Amino acid sequence: AQSVTQLDSQVPVFEEAPVELRCNYSSSVSVYLFWYVQYPNQGLQLLLKYLSGSTLVKGINGFEAEFNKSQTSFHLRKPSVHISDTAEYFCAVSEFRTGNQFYFGTGTSLTVIP
Amino acid sequence: DAGITQSPRHKVTETGTPVTLRCHQTENHRYMYWYRQDPGHGLRLIHYSYGVKDTDKGEVSDGYSVSRSKTEDFLLTLESATSSQTSVYFCAISESIEQYFGPGTRLTVT
Repeated sequence: AQSVTQLDSQVPVFEEAPVELRCNYSSSVSVYLFWYVQYPNQGLQLLLKYLSGSTLVKGINGFEAEFNKSQTSFHLRKPSVHISDTAEYFCAVSEFRTGNQFYFGTGTSLTVIP
Repeated sequence: DAGITQSPRHKVTETGTPVTLRCHQTENHRYMYWYRQDPGHGLRLIHYSYGVKDTDKGEVSDGYSVSRSKTEDFLLTLESATSSQTSVYFCAISESIEQYFGPGTRLTVT
């Protein structure tokens, strides 16, 4: 089974500063990669996904992520954060061969400070 | 937003009682999933379904059972609730690769 690591459990950042949330996964096989965002007391919303093609993917709300196969990483970035970006962020991995089974990281709590 | 509803949204129950959570979708997606979310663990898969009457176990299936008699409904049953099953439960649906999540059910077992 996959192992997904989000090294930073909490990330405080000032408003309008850049942010990077890190995600590493264990498998060397072909994978699909996802970032989800969860606002307080809500479900998970798909932020962006990597299925194939360009390793730099853009998502909603100005976020982007880069797939690095050699480092088995899929880090999430935003050049300038807003107060409304305060939320929990989850990285998820799905292997080609197992189809629809997702493996989630433990989440990173992003707090944007005014 | 994907058409996914979960009921109830909140429930408090006593240890030893059976509990059933319902997930309903209007998207006609083939796959449905039940996860639990706990601090420090992220989301963990309990059971999933790949079609009507076709289900399989996930990572943390002990103490849970599921049923899917219609495409649109996926039921999660806690056969005899324990305090360790206090959690937030999320349903998800998928037709191809991405999964879309419901709003969640907060279950407290006292």
